[in-house]
Amino acid sequence: EAGVAQSPRYKIIEKRQSVAFWCNPISGHATLYWYQQILGQGPKLLIQFQNNGVVDDSQLPKDRFSAERLKGVDSTLKIQPAKLEDSAVYLCASSPATHTIYFGEGSWLTVV
Amino acid sequence: AQSVTQPDIHITVSEGASLELRCNYSYGATPYLFWYVQSPGQGLQLLLKYFSGDTLVQGIKGFEAEFKRSQSSFNLRKPSVHWSDAAEYFCAVGPKTSYDKVIFGPGTSLSVIP
Repeated sequence: EAGVAQSPRYKIIEKRQSVAFWCNPISGHATLYWYQQILGQGPKLLIQFQNNGVVDDSQLPKDRFSAERLKGVDSTLKIQPAKLEDSAVYLCASSPATHTIYFGEGSWLTVV
Repeated sequence: AQSVTQPDIHITVSEGASLELRCNYSYGATPYLFWYVQSPGQGLQLLLKYFSGDTLVQGIKGFEAEFKRSQSSFNLRKPSVHWSDAAEYFCAVGPKTSYDKVIFGPGTSLSVIP
């Protein structure tokens, strides 16, 4: 069974530029998550989708972050404009109905 | 407020020694409980989970964890640590209702001395 796929794995951008991350969840998983993990900290949920709909985006900085999940499968997370404090690993994850979350390898963002 | 505490930021053990990583949670009801491991440059991998039933759960790589309701704890153990176990370990809790978010602890970094 293929795991959660993410791209790009690494990205370096200047502040005020934009960046987009792509995620393909495990086939059949209805729930998709985007987490932000700052170095030395645990993952923090940014947004959770259930199929096409948003379940929780309470910690998503909506003035600069946006996310969408087209047709209930792939998802894209965008940051525009980026700030220095956005430097982090962006983890995509998916789960079936069992609450067990399966993570991708992450997209490492450095904002300079 | 819902929270997960991992009291030890960093632990160092010798290879072959036993290991216990602590996890405490604050929650309105008994949640689902998880332990994840993250190797450098990698995503998080599920080690084990507790949903209900036997409070001692077995996971991959020789790990086990014990749920203690009275102490709101879910400590991770391994009888003999291998050098490849050096990684970051995260405890997480999730509600038993649908669609609610899983909360992660801050993590414990494990170093293994050969």
